[in-house]
Amino acid sequence: GAGVSQSPSNKVTEKGKDVELRCDPISGHTALYWYRQSLGQGLEFLIYFQGNSAPDKSGLPSDRFSAERTGGSVSTLTIQRTQQEDSAVYLCASSDLGEQYFGPGTRLTVT
Amino acid sequence: RKEVEQDPGPFNVPEGATVAFNCTYSNSASQSFFWYRQDCRKEPKLLMSVYSSGNEDGRFTAQLNRASQYISLLIRDSKLSDSATYLCVVIADTGRRALTFGSGTRLQVQP
Repeated sequence: GAGVSQSPSNKVTEKGKDVELRCDPISGHTALYWYRQSLGQGLEFLIYFQGNSAPDKSGLPSDRFSAERTGGSVSTLTIQRTQQEDSAVYLCASSDLGEQYFGPGTRLTVT
Repeated sequence: RKEVEQDPGPFNVPEGATVAFNCTYSNSASQSFFWYRQDCRKEPKLLMSVYSSGNEDGRFTAQLNRASQYISLLIRDSKLSDSATYLCVVIADTGRRALTFGSGTRLQVQP
């Protein structure tokens, strides 16, 4: 079946602009995660959605970052007033509380 | 101190060699342990889970030492296709099950 998909695959934006990154999880997976992988850094957890529960936002680096998950399926990560340090690969993963399956990521470059 | 620490490498080994990677984690409450593989500019994929009793999957053997908070991965008879970055991963929070990644160990298998 289809895996996790993310769009766009690449995004170049100017400092100060807002960006939206989209994640389509595997159908039926109740858990959805966003992670970030910066150059030279490991992957870091950003936010977690589980079913209809309130999201765990404890990993978001600043209040410029927000995410929502509509209808328990598609999720959007929004970064407002982007900064150069936001440049990274943003990875989405979904699971049915077992193995997490990752999407191909969105490579964000802030110029 | 990072929550999960790994030697970044690179490990350059000839085909057929045996290579071992080590990892330490700081949170003694960590519950689940994994090795992920990440190819260049690709998403991470689960290689294997790690259990206290040790587990083997073909040429790959993983071991967990809870007392020392230490995880290992052994690859026997290395293949060119094993070249990748190997990520040590733990789950410390059984609620949200977010993955905490080490920064990865790069392996290059040479002909």
